[in-house]
Amino acid sequence: DTGVSQNPRHKITKRGQNVTFRCDPISEHNRLYWYRQTLGQGPEFLTYFQNEAQLEKSRLLSDRFSAERPKGSFSTLEIQRTEQGDSAMYLCASSLPGGAVYGYTFGSGTRLTVV
Amino acid sequence: KQEVTQIPAALSVPEGENLVLNCSFTDSAIYNLQWFRQDPGKGLTSLLLIQSSQREQTSGRLNASLDKSSGRSTLYIAASQPGDSATYLCAVGPDKLIFGTGTRLQVFP
Repeated sequence: DTGVSQNPRHKITKRGQNVTFRCDPISEHNRLYWYRQTLGQGPEFLTYFQNEAQLEKSRLLSDRFSAERPKGSFSTLEIQRTEQGDSAMYLCASSLPGGAVYGYTFGSGTRLTVV
Repeated sequence: KQEVTQIPAALSVPEGENLVLNCSFTDSAIYNLQWFRQDPGKGLTSLLLIQSSQREQTSGRLNASLDKSSGRSTLYIAASQPGDSATYLCAVGPDKLIFGTGTRLQVFP
């Protein structure tokens, strides 16, 4: 297992375009999390899944953002009508069911730049 | 609402020094605390995970302690090396992690 994989690594898009990111968690991890990190800040929670069920969404996740995890495997995060304020690093993490006990593994992130 | 603070925000030291990085949190009802390392433009690498029932964890030159009652954790780095240069983040769980803003460490030869 090669850990948590995120694609693409970098994405540059024009304002108003839609973008989609993909996260492949560690295979035996049933929990998957999305975070957003802006320059000089710590990551902020966006949403998380247990299997295919989306259990919680942050208020940061406006209606332009949608996340899915079909079949409880990989997940996608889509941003519609991107704005310059969406420029950030988008991080994915996964964990075993008892995440609080085993900890979390993060991917390398997708850097989004909206021009 | 849980808030996590890290002090100092930045630290620059010569190689070989022993370091202490601080993390404080406002709500002591945590399940765990995890320390991460982040290199510029990269993702997070887990360093140490401390359960709420534990007082400390050690890995190599790293030692992390946890005092839930006072809402504090420290990360001790022994005999620092230039390769330790990175941003160090602490986060509290469970489920969704709440992160501090990090300590940016530079170790110069």
